[in-house]
Amino acid sequence: DAKTTQPNSMESNEEEPVHLPCNHSTISGTDYIHWYRQLPSQGPEYVIHGLTSNVNNRMASLAIAEDRKSSTLILHRATLRDAAVYYCILRDVLAYNQGGKLIFGQGTELSVKP
Amino acid sequence: DGGITQSPKYLFRKEGQNVTLSCEQNLNHDAMYWYRQDPGQGLRLIYYSQIVNDFQKGDIAEGYSVSREKKESFPLTVTSAQKNPTAFYLCASSFLAGGAYEQYFGPGTRLTVT
Repeated sequence: DAKTTQPNSMESNEEEPVHLPCNHSTISGTDYIHWYRQLPSQGPEYVIHGLTSNVNNRMASLAIAEDRKSSTLILHRATLRDAAVYYCILRDVLAYNQGGKLIFGQGTELSVKP
Repeated sequence: DGGITQSPKYLFRKEGQNVTLSCEQNLNHDAMYWYRQDPGQGLRLIYYSQIVNDFQKGDIAEGYSVSREKKESFPLTVTSAQKNPTAFYLCASSFLAGGAYEQYFGPGTRLTVT
């Protein structure tokens, strides 16, 4: 499985944009880039995913590098409720062959200061 | 509201007892998953099921059993053979198991065995 590399932790100020980076230099052409986040003592929450093009939804934006070897999750205005561990995960389009599991690394712990 | 429910939120058991964790979804998803999370760690896959009456072992299936008699339900039994059962257990589901589809997680069950 292709691996991802994320910073262990990041800090942000409330109401400012946050850019969470992820490196995935061994990504294959059939890997989707997924982002999930986990608040303390809760189950992970889906944030966004994409293949090649940048993606936007109500929670965040995903910017994917042209060579797809890195991506950035963008929270446009951080709130205190965004403090969580953010996971960047690669998921093969043919993942059903392996049951479609998500492989979680250590993620980035985002803290938001008021 | 559509979603995944897990019960109970907290569960305490004595060593040597089997215990069953409940997972129900009303999202009409075909695929369901059980993950385990230990403190400060990412999630690890225990079992998954892509259709009713079929399930497959994940990475850490020893000491666990599952059933999938209904599309909506995927209970997990932690048996006395599981050497380190104390953990946070998360159930998830997705429309299909392929990489293009996001997984939705339940709130989790925190199991403590003494």
